[in-house]
Amino acid sequence: KAGVTQTPRYLIKTRGQQVTLSCSPISGHRSVSWYQQTPGQGLQFLFEYFSETQRNKGNFPGRFSGRQFSNSRSEMNVSTLELGDSALYLCASSPMTDTYGYTFGSGTRLTVV
Amino acid sequence: QKEVEQNSGPLSVPEGAIASLNCTYSDRVSQSFFWYRQYSGKSPELIMSIYSNGDKEDGRFTAQLNKASQYVSLLIRDSQPSDSATYLCAVNYGQNFVFGPGTRLSVLP
Repeated sequence: KAGVTQTPRYLIKTRGQQVTLSCSPISGHRSVSWYQQTPGQGLQFLFEYFSETQRNKGNFPGRFSGRQFSNSRSEMNVSTLELGDSALYLCASSPMTDTYGYTFGSGTRLTVV
Repeated sequence: QKEVEQNSGPLSVPEGAIASLNCTYSDRVSQSFFWYRQYSGKSPELIMSIYSNGDKEDGRFTAQLNKASQYVSLLIRDSQPSDSATYLCAVNYGQNFVFGPGTRLSVLP
C-alpha cells in the first residue's frame, strides 16, 4: 500500500515568489493535514481538509492557503514568500479524524533565499 | 490556547535501560493521544495511540494515560541505540492535532 506522497521533495525559491506543494494521501484516507516544521517552532498545524472542505486552520497568515480535490489529493500554496517560510512542510493523512493517528509523508523542504 | 508540553531533553539512557518520556496537555476534553518517533532528517512515524485511562502495551513500548492529571507517558523497555530519536506527543483537540515540542532521546551503547 503506497504511503503519503509529497512532491517536490526540495524547493528553492526567492523572496516574493509563490509556491505550490502537493500531497497524495494513502488510498482511502479522506483527511489531510498540513504542518510546518522548523527547528525553533517544532510542528505547527497549518490546516486540515476532509472531503474537500477545510475543517480547521492554524494560526498562519493568509498567504498560506490550501485545497483538497475530490480524489483527496491536496495542495498548499504560499504566496509572497518570506525568508521565515523556509521550513519542512509535512502532509499527513488519516482515514478519519478524532480517533486515528496521522501518517506523514516525507515532506517538502522549502528554502527561501 | 490548547497546549502540549514535553521536556525537550536530551534524555540519555544506557542501552538496556527503561526510557520514560512524559507529556502534559491543557484541555480535559481531549480523547485521543498519540506518540510519534522522528529520526533526524525524517518525518514523524506513529508508534502508539491511547484513548483510555491506564496502560497500553505494544512490544517494548508502553503508553500510560491519566486523564485526571492530564498526563500521558511513553515507556521504552530494553532501550536500544536505534531508539535514539525525538519523540513527539500529540493530542487530538477535536479536528486539530497539537504536537508537543518533542523530547530528544539518546540511548548510549
